[in-house]
Amino acid sequence: DAGVTQSPTHLIKTRGQQVTLRCSPKSGHDTVSWYQQALGQGPQFIFQYYEEEERQRGNFPDRFSGHQFPNYSSELNVNALLLGDSALYLCASSLGSGRNYGYTFGSGTRLTVV
Amino acid sequence: TQLLEQSPQFLSIQEGENLTVYCNSSSVFSSLQWYRQEPGEGPVLLVTVVTGGEVKKLKRLTFQFGDARKDSSLHITAAQPGDTGLYLCAGANAGGTSYGKLTFGQGTILTVHP
Repeated sequence: DAGVTQSPTHLIKTRGQQVTLRCSPKSGHDTVSWYQQALGQGPQFIFQYYEEEERQRGNFPDRFSGHQFPNYSSELNVNALLLGDSALYLCASSLGSGRNYGYTFGSGTRLTVV
Repeated sequence: TQLLEQSPQFLSIQEGENLTVYCNSSSVFSSLQWYRQEPGEGPVLLVTVVTGGEVKKLKRLTFQFGDARKDSSLHITAAQPGDTGLYLCAGANAGGTSYGKLTFGQGTILTVHP
């Protein structure tokens, strides 16, 4: 049973560029959340998608946007990259909100902005 | 803004010792989740506690949710080198428009020496 799959695993981009990260949720899960984890910190919530709509958003600028497809997979887009966007980006899937049963996380995409 | 204070930040112990990690907040959470993260990987769910005062045991790990659902603790008995990793507590928001967004603590880096 495949868990959460994220691609690519590593990415190097130049400041000002745009990036798209991809996530396939665990089989049977319908909700996808995205988190940003800086080195040595806990993950920070970016947003959550359910039924192809952004259901909740964290304290991130509009440069961060996303999409969920009918097959529940999701993309995270970041425009006008800043050096401070360098981090591990984690995708987490759940059935429903995940409040009571927890989330399954992918291994993440390590983004380096130079 | 909800915050979770996790302590200690670093823990270095010998195999066989016991340890406790604390997670405290001034906010109420609908559930408290504990994750373990290894380098280069995403967090892996250990347990979810939902009811105030709840205690859950997972082999040598004991998790407790405070009566007021604002704090939690993780106790490891007879630690082993395989327990080494980053331990993260995460609170899931309660009700309203909060669909299970997780607020993470800063994490505790545990090193167990043979």
